[in-house]
Amino acid sequence: NAGVTQTPKFQVLKTGQSMTLQCAQDMNHNSMYWYRQDPGMGLRLIYYSASEGTTDKGEVPNGYNVSRLNKREFSLRLESAAPSQTSVYFCASGQNSGNTIYFGEGSWLTVV
Amino acid sequence: RKEVEQDPGPFNVPEGATVAFNCTYSNSASQSFFWYRQDCRKEPKLLMSVYSSGNEDGRFTAQLNRASQYISLLIRDSKLSDSATYLCVVNSGDSWGKLQFGAGTQVVVTP
Repeated sequence: NAGVTQTPKFQVLKTGQSMTLQCAQDMNHNSMYWYRQDPGMGLRLIYYSASEGTTDKGEVPNGYNVSRLNKREFSLRLESAAPSQTSVYFCASGQNSGNTIYFGEGSWLTVV
Repeated sequence: RKEVEQDPGPFNVPEGATVAFNCTYSNSASQSFFWYRQDCRKEPKLLMSVYSSGNEDGRFTAQLNRASQYISLLIRDSKLSDSATYLCVVNSGDSWGKLQFGAGTQVVVTP
């Protein structure tokens, strides 16, 4: 029961480096999401993809880009990492917008 | 004002006791409501959806009060394994219906 799989689980970056977080789901869901979670702030939506071929900005998109590669995969790219992007990143997917979503195990990113 | 607000806690609960806590939301157009559970350093997992008529799942009861714009979660006969952070989730009410997450209420069940 893979569900939502995201990689890497842990990553340390230097300021200015770039990296891509990968996410794949095997539940045939239409919608996919990237969230970040910081202490005391809850989950904040970075980008989402309502369906294959579409992506939209969420609450905190600055410094990130996304690609909905196909129905299964939704990647998040940090072009030039900053210490403010140190966070836990969760990918999620759901069948339809506004309904239940399922999360991956998270990616712990530290930017030094 | 945050769209979804929760008391961060912690709520310290003796094993076997009942604990209840609320979550308020600001968007009166919201249509979908959920409680998620998140264990330390783990991903959030769906605990239960919240229906207008209220619903129960074992020891967990969720209620929705549209007039006052809050949802509640009650846990009866608390178990040590209920220790977690409970996230209130509300859909944004816009045309797409994005989900808004509260920052969570921490529950600590003690022996």
